[in-house]
Amino acid sequence: DADVTQTPRNRITKTGKRIMLECSQTKGHDRMYWYRQDPGLGLRLIYYSFDVKDINKGEISDGYSVSRQAQAKFSLSLESAIPNQTALYFCATRESSGATDTQYFGPGTRLTVL
Amino acid sequence: SQKIEQNSEALNIQEGKTATLTCNYTNYSPAYLQWYRQDPGRGPVFLLLIRENEKEKRKERLKVTFDTTLKQSLFHITASQPADSATYLCALLGAYGQNFVFGPGTRLSVLP
Repeated sequence: DADVTQTPRNRITKTGKRIMLECSQTKGHDRMYWYRQDPGLGLRLIYYSFDVKDINKGEISDGYSVSRQAQAKFSLSLESAIPNQTALYFCATRESSGATDTQYFGPGTRLTVL
Repeated sequence: SQKIEQNSEALNIQEGKTATLTCNYTNYSPAYLQWYRQDPGRGPVFLLLIRENEKEKRKERLKVTFDTTLKQSLFHITASQPADSATYLCALLGAYGQNFVFGPGTRLSVLP
């Protein structure tokens, strides 16, 4: 089974709808991230969480909210979707120790807002 | 302003040759830099991390260099194979060490 899973994998919705993207991990990492990826712009950070009680805005948090329900679960919501939120969304966990610092990404959710 | 650039959007090379990808940054002082591989429709996969006090790191056919004076990292794939075709992303640890900032990526195609 995959260590970081995302649901749904694909979603088409209409402008103004509320959408939730879910992320679960079995890696036991405290740190979790949500990114969006657009062609030519790379990955941009939306929100990140260092533990269940610590949630922080990233570079492009406007129009998004998150919920860290448990160490293993981190959800991203679009309160009122708009077309320029059409993108590929990735969840990631982070393992950081003296020896390594690595992010583990989920398979992504392709979101289309019409 | 802070910026990360990767040398080109796409790079085509012949099988067996060495691929060299570039990551340049401005207005960062990263403690370390990472390289990831991303295949179409999939999430990035971590490849290598190089710290600011390391000049070079190797892993099998991969080699990464890090020049903090030039503010540049080079990523080499020797004896390239068609299976190496993917997008390669560099990432820097941003201010305060809390988050990573990613470059836009270079799409590498290794032609048989």
